[in-house]
Amino acid sequence: ETGVTQTPRHLVMGMTNKKSLKCEQHLGHNAMYWYKQSAKKPLELMFVYSLEERVENNSVPSRFSPECPNSSHLFLHLHTLQPEDSALYLCASSQDRIGLYGYTFGSGTRLTVV
Amino acid sequence: KNQVEQSPQSLIILEGKNCTLQCNYTVSPFSNLRWYKQDTGRGPVSLTIMTFSENTKSNGRYTATLDADTKQSSLHITASQLSDSASYICVVRPGGGNKLTFGTGTQLKVEL
Repeated sequence: ETGVTQTPRHLVMGMTNKKSLKCEQHLGHNAMYWYKQSAKKPLELMFVYSLEERVENNSVPSRFSPECPNSSHLFLHLHTLQPEDSALYLCASSQDRIGLYGYTFGSGTRLTVV
Repeated sequence: KNQVEQSPQSLIILEGKNCTLQCNYTVSPFSNLRWYKQDTGRGPVSLTIMTFSENTKSNGRYTATLDADTKQSSLHITASQLSDSASYICVVRPGGGNKLTFGTGTQLKVEL
């Protein structure tokens, strides 16, 4: 384990469902990130939180709603998703929001929207 | 526009053989470049980090090179093992605190 834990590992949901992805880190890092990884595409940055404050939102549709209740936990709330949202969702953390010392990634949640 | 291009897209080699993966970037200004290994069903794990002044850096059987003039990097894997089967992703950090630029990765498969 890398120190960043994501649950669930796999999720299948219908387009009308509401679900949440969870990420937890106990590395003492101050910044946390959500990335989307689709086949044959580079990782896409979705959201950045630094010290529990959202500092970046990269034009992500409102059907994705992040939440960072404290510096160790990050959620991604999902509702009325589309099939093209099926992807691997990766959470990462870093010591600071610039990630100068690198990122630690979780194992991801494989999401399938049916 | 900042871009990172990796080649080949996929590669199959026999166990024990060497291979080299390529990364070309147009990111400017440049801060550093990392190679990540991503096993199937896992998140990426950092292998090496290269800064502007570094030409070569090794991590076990992995050796990364950087030519900042031509904006190219390579990852050489020596005496490949089955466990090297993974996606290898090149990531470039621009200067000025801008966000990372990811390549699409090279999918490596090592066979018996």
